Amino acid sequence: EAQVTQNPRYLITVTGKKLTVTCSQNMNHEYMSWYRQDPGLGLRQIYYSMNVEVTDKGDVPEGYKVSRKEKRNFPLILESPSPNQTSLYFCASSLGFSGETQYFGPGTRLLVL
Amino acid sequence: GQQVMQIPQYQHVQEGEDFTTYCNSSTTLSNIQWYKQRPGGHPVFLIQLVKSGEVKKQKRLTFQFGEAKKNSSLHITATQTTDVGTYFCAGPGNTGFQKLVFGTGTRLLVSP
Repeated sequence: EAQVTQNPRYLITVTGKKLTVTCSQNMNHEYMSWYRQDPGLGLRQIYYSMNVEVTDKGDVPEGYKVSRKEKRNFPLILESPSPNQTSLYFCASSLGFSGETQYFGPGTRLLVL
Repeated sequence: GQQVMQIPQYQHVQEGEDFTTYCNSSTTLSNIQWYKQRPGGHPVFLIQLVKSGEVKKQKRLTFQFGEAKKNSSLHITATQTTDVGTYFCAGPGNTGFQKLVFGTGTRLLVSP
């Protein structure tokens, strides 16, 4: 089944404790991205990647890192999480660039205390 | 920076009533996509519009792309409880087509 998977689905952590949220897609998509969703603000793009080893900042990249060492995986790293990073995070992928249909993962709900 | 606003932010209708959400971009868009997110779920692609003035229909849903390609609308005729969710529009960023900018979303609640 074609899908985007994310792990973990729920995470409670404390300020400053490094964490990684994994994202994997099995559709051989070139483009992958991370979004955060906050009430009233919609979905905001954090980082995106157009291919292996090619990543770039979205609209809200501060406090996040990403890597794209393999085509199928695009982990999101929070080196030193802070409470303002409490949010719902979605990974998405598409065949080509951003103008194509985005396939979203199930989401990761993060609470930073 | 580029902004994509949607109105209304929230709407509560009775089943059978019509519903419309409007999407307005601060810049011209090469295309626009619409997504639906059910409560507790993830966004799911509905449709993409590319041409100025384009109108597309999916059963009870009608999508329009404005002539100036800066606005779009989604109209649902005779809502059903299955239409509950948040509807988002999205378009490529104006600083490069690799970014995707989402609207603020319209949350629809339908009472039986």
